[in-house]
Amino acid sequence: SQQGEEDPQALSIQEGENATMNCSYKTSINNLQWYRQNSGRGLVHLILIRSNEREKHSGRLRVTLDTSKKSSSLLITASRAADTASYFCATVPNSGGYQKVTFGTGTKLQVIP
Amino acid sequence: NAGVTQTPKFQVLKTGQSMTLQCAQDMNHEYMSWYRQDPGMGLRLIHYSVGAGITDQGEVPNGYNVSRSTTEDFPLRLLSAAPSQTSVYFCASTWDRTGASPLHFGNGTRLTVT
Repeated sequence: SQQGEEDPQALSIQEGENATMNCSYKTSINNLQWYRQNSGRGLVHLILIRSNEREKHSGRLRVTLDTSKKSSSLLITASRAADTASYFCATVPNSGGYQKVTFGTGTKLQVIP
Repeated sequence: NAGVTQTPKFQVLKTGQSMTLQCAQDMNHEYMSWYRQDPGMGLRLIHYSVGAGITDQGEVPNGYNVSRSTTEDFPLRLLSAAPSQTSVYFCASTWDRTGASPLHFGNGTRLTVT
């Protein structure tokens, strides 16, 4: 069953611009994670935000979490062509368990040089 | 560090054939999973394992078998391939049972069943 829904489904921006992707989910969570998938490759973990956190930074990445709205956003600042990839949010429910991680359908980001 | 290694990268099967997708990790992770990725559906859990000798079903287990004889290896067997099993398959592992740590993924096996 799908928990996270990303928005937009696809995003095309110029190099140097910021990219924002949103994730909405349905049930209470323990944490929310963002992953990147380059074409033909596996998912790579980017950042994890816990349910008691509101914002987290990692390099050019900024993640926010609003548990009252059951939503999260991923901001990539000063985008580069190498950021071209699909981005997925993944949620872990309150009951926990790595096997209960649920992935959204992803946002496909294209950064034009 | 190799991380999670999946073989083969590509496979074409005829309906009714069987095959095994291989997955190996060198991080000494107890917890491993198999997912399939289909367009517009995200990743769906097929089977998972909490350690050598212990496996359980995920969301979409029908048509697949797994075993875990060692910590390192977690093969996925397709018993009698069907066109509906055309997909990209990912193996993942983690050291943390609770889900509070990242999953490490292999680069996938793209399977086509004709």
